Amino acid sequence: KQEVTQIPAALSVPEGENLVLNCSFTDSAIYNLQWFRQDPGKGLTSLLLIQSSQREQTSGRLNASLDKSSGRSTLYIAASQPGDSATYLCAVGSSNTGKLIFGQGTTLQVKP
Amino acid sequence: DADVTQTPRNRITKTGKRIMLECSQTKGHDRMYWYRQDPGLGLRLIYYSFDVKDINKGEISDGYSVSRQAQAKFSLSLESAIPNQTALYFCATSDPTGANTGELFFGEGSRLTVL
Repeated sequence: KQEVTQIPAALSVPEGENLVLNCSFTDSAIYNLQWFRQDPGKGLTSLLLIQSSQREQTSGRLNASLDKSSGRSTLYIAASQPGDSATYLCAVGSSNTGKLIFGQGTTLQVKP
Repeated sequence: DADVTQTPRNRITKTGKRIMLECSQTKGHDRMYWYRQDPGLGLRLIYYSFDVKDINKGEISDGYSVSRQAQAKFSLSLESAIPNQTALYFCATSDPTGANTGELFFGEGSRLTVL
């Protein structure tokens, strides 16, 4: 059974720092991996989707990497801003059905 | 307007009551999902549907039922609500075609409290 873990559960950094959020999964036979952002009381916003054949995806200050063999993905945030404060969720899909297994998230606080 | 709309956004009800959460989407996606989010447990899949004639149970379907009234509408029902169904419920959609197959798009969530 696929399990997804995100460490740390919470992270606080000063504005301007580059930071890395980690996601690990137990079964390397994945179809895709998706990173989401969730603001308090809000829904999930898709940040980046990495298909199993890809190694990384980039969007603006965000870069997500995927290493299936080691069961890891990282989300790199460059030059963090207070507006980046949110919970970041990693989710793994085992097929194209859209059935995702979620990690519990990392709550990020960027201090001005 | 949001692409995936959930109603109601907040609901407080009592044990034993029947509750329906509704979801509508304008993305034109065939696939729709209901997830539940609990503190410390993350999001878990309740039901999913690939078209109006296709309904499938997810990881935690007991105590829930769904109806796919149209391509754009997918409703979740709690026939007799109980306190441990207190949670944040999310509807999501995906498009099975194209380069980003399997990418999910979520609504804003429906917070349900069962007293």
